[in-house]
Amino acid sequence: GQQLNQSPQSMFIQEGEDVSMNCTSSSIFNTWLWYKQDPGEGPVLLIALYKAGELTSNGRLTAQFGITRKDSFLNISASIPSDVGIYFCAGLTKGYGNKLVFGAGTILRVKS
Amino acid sequence: DTGVSQNPRHKITKRGQNVTFRCDPISEHNRLYWYRQTLGQGPEFLTYFQNEAQLEKSRLLSDRFSAERPKGSFSTLEIQRTEQGDSAMYLCASSFEWGTGSNTEAFFGQGTRLTVV
Repeated sequence: GQQLNQSPQSMFIQEGEDVSMNCTSSSIFNTWLWYKQDPGEGPVLLIALYKAGELTSNGRLTAQFGITRKDSFLNISASIPSDVGIYFCAGLTKGYGNKLVFGAGTILRVKS
Repeated sequence: DTGVSQNPRHKITKRGQNVTFRCDPISEHNRLYWYRQTLGQGPEFLTYFQNEAQLEKSRLLSDRFSAERPKGSFSTLEIQRTEQGDSAMYLCASSFEWGTGSNTEAFFGQGTRLTVV
């Protein structure tokens, strides 16, 4: 079945550093979404990508939809303590009934 | 509209009891999804509705699970004869499909944390 491979699984970074995480798949997706989830809460949408090659920013966050439509990355610039949490990529494609498929998440911990 | 709303936020139940969760989607959204999430994992798809029609169910959704969206607005997820393995966060999300196969972004509720003891 479809699967999203998200990396890294976890990371410690120094406050102020830039962060990069990515998501890859053997399947093609029409939409990529990036979510952040805090403990005990539902995922919160950060960025949505709809076209191959698209680069979209939301404040300190930048995400790109890979040209092959099989991958996406998320960058966080100048990280701050409130960036701590779990970041999930999710893909959407008609081939799977337009239901979101999630990666396993990247745990971000920031050293203040 | 304040977004997707789920109730209750937390539920503790004894094994063998039935539980029901409710999800109120964003009002103009015609798609509603249910996901289950266990600790350290990403959300896993359970089922989704287009308006009141249940279009797909995951193999994760055993016969003890049933979901409804009777008027195409709110949805309920019922688990009968709960088992300890049902303990998880149950997430609801909604989106709008334009009818051309294109969706808007999916927004999640805060989830219902189920603990079966």
